[in-house]
Amino acid sequence: DAKTTQPNSMESNEEEPVHLPCNHSTISGTDYIHWYRQLPSQGPEYVIHGLTSNVNNRMASLAIAEDRKSSTLILHRATLRDAAVYYCITNTGNQFYFGTGTSLTVIP
Amino acid sequence: NAGVTQTPKFRILKIGQSMTLQCTQDMNHNYMYWYRQDPGMGLKLIYYSVGAGITDKGEVPNGYNVSRSTTEDFPLRLELAAPSQTSVYFCASSYLTGVNSPLHFGNGTRLTVT
Repeated sequence: DAKTTQPNSMESNEEEPVHLPCNHSTISGTDYIHWYRQLPSQGPEYVIHGLTSNVNNRMASLAIAEDRKSSTLILHRATLRDAAVYYCITNTGNQFYFGTGTSLTVIP
Repeated sequence: NAGVTQTPKFRILKIGQSMTLQCTQDMNHNYMYWYRQDPGMGLKLIYYSVGAGITDKGEVPNGYNVSRSTTEDFPLRLELAAPSQTSVYFCASSYLTGVNSPLHFGNGTRLTVT
């Protein structure tokens, strides 16, 4: 199984960019990298995913290292609503494996 | 669309009781999943289904059963509740295999077994 490693917690000031790192050194060539976030008392919410190239959507950007052993989720301007636990996950077939994620605190 | 709907939102069970956690989705997704989340932890996959009539075990299936008689519904059954099953349970669905298709989660069922 491809496992991921993330810092337990991070802080950011409101309206500043946030870079959330993730290591996935055992990822296989066909495994996608996915990011989800979980707000308090809610189910996880899809943020972004990618395979090799950097990806952008309305929520965030995903920068994937050339060797694919790490990636970074970029929130361009953190807001208070971005305070959540962010999960970097990879899949094995039909199964997604969630770690403990990074708890992001946004400081007003 | 309602998306993924889970019922009940909360439940307290006594040890040895049984119950069924309901999950239904209205997105015509083939793939459905059950996860559990213990306090301060990530999600662990209990069971998943790739279509009606097909189910398979995830990481932590012991003590649970599932069925998938329709595309919409994927109930999770606890036969003999134990304190170790105190957790928040999330149901999710996806259109394709999750590799290239986002998971859509419900808002969870918080279960306490005492």
